[in-house]
Order: sequence, then structure tokens, then C-alpha cells
Amino acid sequence: DAGITQSPRYKITETGRQVTLMCHQTWSHSYMFWYRQDLGHGLRLIYYSAAADITDKGEVPDGYVVSRSKTENFPLTLESATRSQTSVYFCASDRAPEKEQYFGPGTRLTVT
Amino acid sequence: QQQVKQSPQSLIVQKGGISIINCAYENTAFDYFPWYQQFPGKGPALLIAIRPDVSEKKEGRFTISFNKSAKQFSLHIMDSQPGDSATYFCAASSDSNYQLIWGAGTKLIIKP
Repeated sequence: DAGITQSPRYKITETGRQVTLMCHQTWSHSYMFWYRQDLGHGLRLIYYSAAADITDKGEVPDGYVVSRSKTENFPLTLESATRSQTSVYFCASDRAPEKEQYFGPGTRLTVT
Repeated sequence: QQQVKQSPQSLIVQKGGISIINCAYENTAFDYFPWYQQFPGKGPALLIAIRPDVSEKKEGRFTISFNKSAKQFSLHIMDSQPGDSATYFCAASSDSNYQLIWGAGTKLIIKP
């Protein structure tokens, strides 16, 4: 189906473990984004990508790594998970030059 | 100067009433102002957006009012319905930047 998907939808992991959240879009949108959503903080941008092999830091990049070898995929890796990274993570894509961001359904990550 | 300040944090409106959510910004380079709607367990979705060349944009029961001199914009929901109960985010961006600067969100509850 066309759209933007995220996997897994729910994840529980332990402190110190590496975790990768997947994001896939079928529109060939050039821009992709990773956000985290926490109560009281709204949406905070972690990383974004303007095209394959082009990524840049957002507001809260520490502790996260991204890559974008293909236009349709934009995985987010937590190299050594911490409890403060417990959050809901949203991936989004944006078809330039329009600025409408299409969001995935989110991944709820709990770090114990 | 990059912030977008959103108020109120939460809002309860009777069915049939008018819901009003306000946002203010400082960066005069901002030229795109969208509102996103988010239901529980879902990603945000674009509701309506405005550019500063107009002072108002209406789509059905949803209206954006824009005051360039005051650097404020607001969302009005007319004849509010229980199905409008959601969290609403305002955002802003400039032409040179595909990042959206997000407000903190408003949780709207429409009482039947």
C-alpha cells in the first residue's frame, strides 16, 4: 500500500542496548524527518534528510544516528538506549516544494 | 527567535461552540503557517495552512486568521463537534528551510 510505515509499532528494550526504528515511504518524497513526541514538549526534530545520502541534525540529535542509502528508507538508530529516550517516535516525509509533512503511525519505545 | 508559542495548552468547548487556538512567532522570515491535527495513537495530519499574503483562509468549519503586524495566527473551529477532539499543533517555516518549527500543542476536548 502507498504511504509511510514505521516498524516496530511498539518496542521495549533495556538501557544500553542498540535499537533501530525503521521508516519506509512509497511516494519517493525527497525530504524525510524523525521526531520524538513527549508530554509537554510537543514534537521535537531529531534528524532530517533532504535526499539519499544527505542528512542533518535537528533540535535533539544526541544519542541518535540516521542513514539514508535509499530515498524510501530512513532508519533511526539509538546506539546505546537510555531511559530518557523513552518516547513516541514519528517519521514523516515531505514532497518538495510543497511543505505538507505526512506522518507515519509512530513507534512507542520504552527503555527500561 | 525560532520559537512558536502556542496557547492555550488545553481547551474544553461545548458542542456547537467556537474553538480558538492561538500561536505567536518572532521570526519575520517565516512565510508558511500550517496547523496539524493529531488523534490519540495516530501521527499528526495537515489540517489547513496559510501564507502571509492573505489574512484569512477558510476550509469548511476550520479558519486560519493571520495578523502579520502582530506576528500571530490562530485556528478557529466553528460549530465544534465531539469528533474534533484532538491535539492541535501550529507550526511555521521559512522559504529557505524545510524544517517546521512546532508549537507545543493544544489538547482540545469538545463536550457533547
